[in-house]
Amino acid sequence: DSGVTQTPKHLITATGQRVTLRCSPRSGDLSVYWYQQSLDQGLQFLIQYYNGEERAKGNILERFSAQQFPDLHSELNLSSLELGDSALYFCASGTGAREQYFGPGTRLTVT
Amino acid sequence: AQSVTQLGSHVSVSEGALVLLRCNYSSSVPPYLFWYVQYPNQGLQLLLKYTSAATLVKGINGFEAEFKKSETSFHLTKPSAHMSDAAEYFCAVSSSDYGQNFVFGPGTRLSVLP
Repeated sequence: DSGVTQTPKHLITATGQRVTLRCSPRSGDLSVYWYQQSLDQGLQFLIQYYNGEERAKGNILERFSAQQFPDLHSELNLSSLELGDSALYFCASGTGAREQYFGPGTRLTVT
Repeated sequence: AQSVTQLGSHVSVSEGALVLLRCNYSSSVPPYLFWYVQYPNQGLQLLLKYTSAATLVKGINGFEAEFKKSETSFHLTKPSAHMSDAAEYFCAVSSSDYGQNFVFGPGTRLSVLP
């Protein structure tokens, strides 16, 4: 158990819909990272937050957004969903000590 | 910009044989290097990390990796493969205390044959 929690574990929704994925980092970690993992694209870094502020952006679509709240939990919002958005979405947390600890992931299926 | 390459998207070994998973990186500054393992339907788990201390790093489950600056490599090894080692392995590089330059390699799927 990494100490990072993600909800929900599974999510099935239709094209065009909007969903919110939630992540709670390990106690004491200030950074939260979001990743998308699919069979054809591999593990893709989406976005990082550090203590409530956006720190880095990766391959995140404009339809996707994220935020980190004062209690340090984070939410990833995915809108206007397409079939190609079906993937595993991972959250990771870390400190300035560089390594990241991953949550169990949310499996999103868009039908 | 940093990058990571992992030679071989799929490696097969026999149970009891040596495991060698290759990782090469590029970084303009001294890197921090990591190996992660992902079992089916699970998140990534940190196996080991190099953060400029000893060049030979020991991790969990009997794995170790050696940092070779001259070769820009950080290969992962295990003397004797076990069936439970079958998983996907990711090498990653970071050069920032805040981790925003954290880059993962494409992964290597390890199969262990009986």
